[in-house]
Amino acid sequence: GAGVSQSPRYKVAKRGQDVALRCDPISGHVSLFWYQQALGQGPEFLTYFQNEAQLDKSGLPSDRFFAERPEGSVSTLKIQRTQQEDSAVYLCASSFGTVDYEQYFGPGTRLTVT
Amino acid sequence: AQSVTQLGSHVSVSEGALVLLRCNYSSSVPPYLFWYVQYPNQGLQLLLKYTTGATLVKGINGFEAEFKKSETSFHLTKPSAHMSDAAEYFCAVTFYNQGGKLIFGQGTELSVKP
Repeated sequence: GAGVSQSPRYKVAKRGQDVALRCDPISGHVSLFWYQQALGQGPEFLTYFQNEAQLDKSGLPSDRFFAERPEGSVSTLKIQRTQQEDSAVYLCASSFGTVDYEQYFGPGTRLTVT
Repeated sequence: AQSVTQLGSHVSVSEGALVLLRCNYSSSVPPYLFWYVQYPNQGLQLLLKYTTGATLVKGINGFEAEFKKSETSFHLTKPSAHMSDAAEYFCAVTFYNQGGKLIFGQGTELSVKP
């Protein structure tokens, strides 16, 4: 079956622009996670959904970052007024459950802010 | 604070040699531990995980890891390296009360020489 897909794969934005990154999880997966991976670093947690409920957004770096999953399936990560420090790969992962269930990762969206 | 440390950002081995990638965690509660592999321009793929039970866990592609509570370690090994093992490897940890949120190490790039 299809894995986790993300679009666009690459995004170049001018500083100050708003961007929207999409994640299509594996069908039936309850949990959805967003991570930010800076160049040469490990992924860092941003936020987590269980169905449509956003249960943890402690990793969002500022109020310019917003995520939603309105119908408990597709999720969108929105970044307003992008800054150069937002340049990174944004990874989405989904899982059937929570703690001890495997998270399946998408290929990521590489965001470059110029 | 809960954290993961991977010793060595770059490890180089010869084809057929032992692979040893080190991971230590810091936590006051029992951890769930994972190793992921990332190939260029791809998402992370789970190699193996430890949740409960047997402390020696076997994963895909001939990798295994042993959870040692006394040493707070979860080192990844493979008896004989293949060229196809060249990739970035990430150790990650989560806990029962974290909803599945993964805390990643900085990553170790494995190179395999012919």
